[in-house]
Amino acid sequence: QKEVEQDPGPLSVPEGAIVSLNCTYSNSAFQYFMWYRQYSRKGPELLMYTYSSGNKEDGRFTAQVDKSSKYISLFIRDSQPSDSATYLCAMTPGGYQKVTFGTGTKLQVIP
Amino acid sequence: EPEVTQTPSHQVTQMGQEVILRCVPISNHLYFYWYRQILGQKVEFLVSFYNNEISEKSEIFDDQFSVERPDGSNFTLKIRSTKLEDSAMYFCASSDTGQGIQPQHFGDGTRLSIL
Repeated sequence: QKEVEQDPGPLSVPEGAIVSLNCTYSNSAFQYFMWYRQYSRKGPELLMYTYSSGNKEDGRFTAQVDKSSKYISLFIRDSQPSDSATYLCAMTPGGYQKVTFGTGTKLQVIP
Repeated sequence: EPEVTQTPSHQVTQMGQEVILRCVPISNHLYFYWYRQILGQKVEFLVSFYNNEISEKSEIFDDQFSVERPDGSNFTLKIRSTKLEDSAMYFCASSDTGQGIQPQHFGDGTRLSIL
């Protein structure tokens, strides 16, 4: 079983749609969870980060963590064409330890 | 907004040659990292560095790899004798110290092409 699993997509949605991106993981040691956005030929850009279970909202983005199910989600409301990118889930046991990434989900928002 | 900068953006090297990838982390950050991403694959951890020594390294980071902070601003990754399979995007990241989560911030990478 892979440590972090993420559906690679591609996911294509119309502008204004609600997007749901998900990852599952197997390592119970993961405590910190991040979502990064990556545009083509660019580095991962930090979107959101959270510790342990619960929800965190930032503008149109909501990150959700369910440690009991080992499942994390990112919701994007009112999606825009500029949201078109690859979204990477990432997690780590501790603040300064290695980050383990999912394979990324490629999202396309169609105007 | 402060950012991690990496040079060069693209490096082409003959197999067997040494290559040095350079990074300038965010100025007040004290933890530094290298990751790589082979085309079409996920981002993979290579090494973390703090207080002038390696904190953690992956099995990818073998004797061919080394890291150094030669001065107060630069952080480098050296590959001694490059192989074809070293072709990848190499990302540098840095994080701050302090309580709670200190997420890693990434540069835009160096694309390394081994011929």
